[in-house]
Amino acid sequence: DAKTTQPPSMDCAEGRAANLPCNHSTISGNEYVYWYRQIHSQGPQYIIHGLKNNETNEMASLIITEDRKSSTLILPHATLRDTAVYYCIVRPLDTGRRALTFGSGTRLQVQP
Amino acid sequence: NAGVMQNPRHLVRRRGQEARLRCSPMKGHSHVYWYRQLPEEGLKFMVYLQKENIIDESGMPKERFSAEFPKEGPSILRIQQVVRGDSAAYFCASSPAGTTGYNEQFFGPGTRLTVL
Repeated sequence: DAKTTQPPSMDCAEGRAANLPCNHSTISGNEYVYWYRQIHSQGPQYIIHGLKNNETNEMASLIITEDRKSSTLILPHATLRDTAVYYCIVRPLDTGRRALTFGSGTRLQVQP
Repeated sequence: NAGVMQNPRHLVRRRGQEARLRCSPMKGHSHVYWYRQLPEEGLKFMVYLQKENIIDESGMPKERFSAEFPKEGPSILRIQQVVRGDSAAYFCASSPAGTTGYNEQFFGPGTRLTVL
């Protein structure tokens, strides 16, 4: 899986958009960008993934730059319940190795 | 549709005892993954199983740890002769069969093992 770089921590005011960046400059053409989060003491939760087009679902939006070397996860209206560690993972859609590799992630603290 | 279920949620064992952790995947999912999270550390992959088969155990410690996913019943992660360093949160995840979709793994609430 391609290496990713995320800031260790970020703060966001409740009700504001949270923009979490991820650098993946060595991404290959067949690799997707996946985002997971882990709320304190809970199991990780899948959020969203994308290849090159921007993606949106009920939880978040994913913006991938045109060169695909970086991406941003956007939580449009952050709530206190969005406080969690957010992981950016880059991997092919079809790979022989099924294990997810979690890095250090970004610890997002949503402030009231 | 119930999510991934793990039990027990909390398990306390004394050094030298056995710990048995159970995981029931989501309905329709035939792939199970176990991950371990040591205190203040990230999640680390341990083992990936399909029904009755271990596919990838590259993250499993070589001794004392074993996993199974029988044809009937939950997946079991067994730790024999536990030591204090085994104290951690153990998470199970599942995904459906097929060549796509397994990057979207659904995680259970975890079992927190404490070794006294």
